[in-house]
Amino acid sequence: DIQMTQSPSSLPASLGDRVTITCRASQDIGNYLRWFQQKPGKSPRLMIYGATNLAAGVPSRFSGSRSGSDYSLTINSLESEDMAIYYCLQHNEYPRTFGGGTKLELK
Amino acid sequence: EVQLVESGGSLVQPGGSLKLSCVASGFTFSNYWMDWVRQTPGKSLEWIGEINTDGSKTNYAPSIKDRFTISRDNAKSTLYLQMSNVKSDDTAIYYCTRISVYWGQGTLVTVSS
Repeated sequence: DIQMTQSPSSLPASLGDRVTITCRASQDIGNYLRWFQQKPGKSPRLMIYGATNLAAGVPSRFSGSRSGSDYSLTINSLESEDMAIYYCLQHNEYPRTFGGGTKLELK
Repeated sequence: EVQLVESGGSLVQPGGSLKLSCVASGFTFSNYWMDWVRQTPGKSLEWIGEINTDGSKTNYAPSIKDRFTISRDNAKSTLYLQMSNVKSDDTAIYYCTRISVYWGQGTLVTVSS
């Protein structure tokens, strides 16, 4: 199985900060990488697909990038509504695998 | 508006069986592959498996293979997850998704004696 190692697991940040969350794939997954946001008691919400493409309705302060086997989600100018848990997902191979999650919280 | 509504979650004893349903609306169900994903309490997400548009092909996670079966009824716009020989580790919220783009609200399965 492809392992998606997500870091950090917890990320304290202040409003207005620029933050970056990273997932490292244990094997090549091309750009078959998605990012999700999940708030307490809610279902996950697709934020980024194809490693770099913004999903419909997602604010432009969110962006995705790739450097080799490292995939990153960056949020510019953090807002209070961004506090949530973020997960990556690889869908290049079976079984699909998620990262362990990053809890973004106010410092 | 795309809607996915899961049902069927409940308390089930270890070794027992349960069938979850997911009714889809707002899109042509028969045109899309569908997935099941679960989330254990306080933990990460786990992909369970998927089914193709006409139900002829499925793929499963190793952790549930041979115990869970995904099926669909396109006439009813409904996705199913048949769970058999359940274990305590299967306790989770189960989500149906349209290839992880759209998600239902989830249904809770608790495996306990």
